[in-house]
Amino acid sequence: QQQVKQSPQSLIVQKGGISIINCAYENTAFDYFPWYQQFPGKGPALLIAIRPDVSEKKEGRFTISFNKSAKQFSLHIMDSQPGDSATYFCAAVKAAGNKLTFGGGTRVLVKP
Amino acid sequence: DGGITQSPKYLFRKEGQNVTLSCEQNLNHDAMYWYRQDPGQGLRLIYYSQIVNDFQKGDIAEGYSVSREKKESFPLTVTSAQKNPTAFYLCASTRGHGYGYTFGSGTRLTVV
Repeated sequence: QQQVKQSPQSLIVQKGGISIINCAYENTAFDYFPWYQQFPGKGPALLIAIRPDVSEKKEGRFTISFNKSAKQFSLHIMDSQPGDSATYFCAAVKAAGNKLTFGGGTRVLVKP
Repeated sequence: DGGITQSPKYLFRKEGQNVTLSCEQNLNHDAMYWYRQDPGQGLRLIYYSQIVNDFQKGDIAEGYSVSREKKESFPLTVTSAQKNPTAFYLCASTRGHGYGYTFGSGTRLTVV
């Protein structure tokens, strides 16, 4: 049972464009939603995170939008750059156990 | 600099062998985790430990074992019972709920 569903699996965007990745979750016990960026052969690195009492959070070119009633959240990468080409994972955490549950990942390619 | 060190970076295992992957952190984090990543897929939780001398099974614990004798160290043993061990293994730690996980650079295990 996949508790966090992520889409699309891959996307290609032109330099300067907007990359949008969507995630949906089922378990309402999740209360912390981080996004991770992973380059080939490296471990994931925390990009940005949000709690369900906030509808939007922005850090630089990265924005998370959160819809609690729909149990959905998304990552927007504004002004995408070739250096943003990586795999992005959404995740969700429950307070009990503090375990990260990951989505399946989205491979983003930014074309110059 | 604080961080997580995983070793070795590459590991080759013969059929029927047990191998141990090292994970050391100097972040003073209580919680540590082991994830498995298969090509083009998300991360799946193998084992986690919230405190020294205590650990719990994750979603795919069969064929793996861990120990947590020191706060800084959380080694993972891939036993001969793990039928498909070839994967990228990632260790992580966190200060607590609501804080991001810090990941190591991973160990790529290949069965030869």
